[in-house]
Amino acid sequence: AQTVTQSQPEMSVQEAETVTLSCTYDTSENNYYLFWYKQPPSRQMILVIRQEAYKQQNATENRFSVNFQKAAKSFSLKISDSQLGDTAMYFCAYQGAQKLVFGQGTRLTINP
Amino acid sequence: GAGVSQSPSNKVTEKGKDVELRCDPISGHTALYWYRQSLGQGLEFLIYFQGNSAPDKSGLPSDRFSAERTGGSVSTLTIQRTQQEDSAVYLCASSLEGLNEKLFFGSGTQLSVL
Repeated sequence: AQTVTQSQPEMSVQEAETVTLSCTYDTSENNYYLFWYKQPPSRQMILVIRQEAYKQQNATENRFSVNFQKAAKSFSLKISDSQLGDTAMYFCAYQGAQKLVFGQGTRLTINP
Repeated sequence: GAGVSQSPSNKVTEKGKDVELRCDPISGHTALYWYRQSLGQGLEFLIYFQGNSAPDKSGLPSDRFSAERTGGSVSTLTIQRTQQEDSAVYLCASSLEGLNEKLFFGSGTQLSVL
């Protein structure tokens, strides 16, 4: 079964700094998708960014970018110029041929 | 509707009682997921519906948990004889096709079993 591991339960940075959240996964599949979701205190899960495994180019969405290392099965999220509104739980997720599987999450706090 | 709707938003029940949680997905979305999130924890997969296919029930923690999806739209998650360890937020999500698509989440139902 596929597993997703986020090794950082909590992180805290100052506003405007850059922060990187780690994620590793275990799979024997060759075709799959990886996601980062954000869950603010409102509890509403929001998709931040998506990466297709067959694409070598790292996905970017404004201040959010990923470092996808397929051989290492690593999928980290970089948030540049962090803002107070980025404070949330961040979940890494994997989907191959079956259900979407989430990691345990990283609680990110942006301090003013 | 405009988004995934879940009801009730909060539910308090007594140990041993049955509860039903409802999810209204976005119209036209063929895939529907239920996840459970315990306090400060990650999302635990419960069940996945995709179109007319048999649901993936591999995440249901016990036979006290069941779910159905009527007419390919509304879904109900039922927990029988609730236990205190069932207390959690139950999240529903839907997507247009299912695999590798963006999921749209509801705001969840906070279940508290006393």
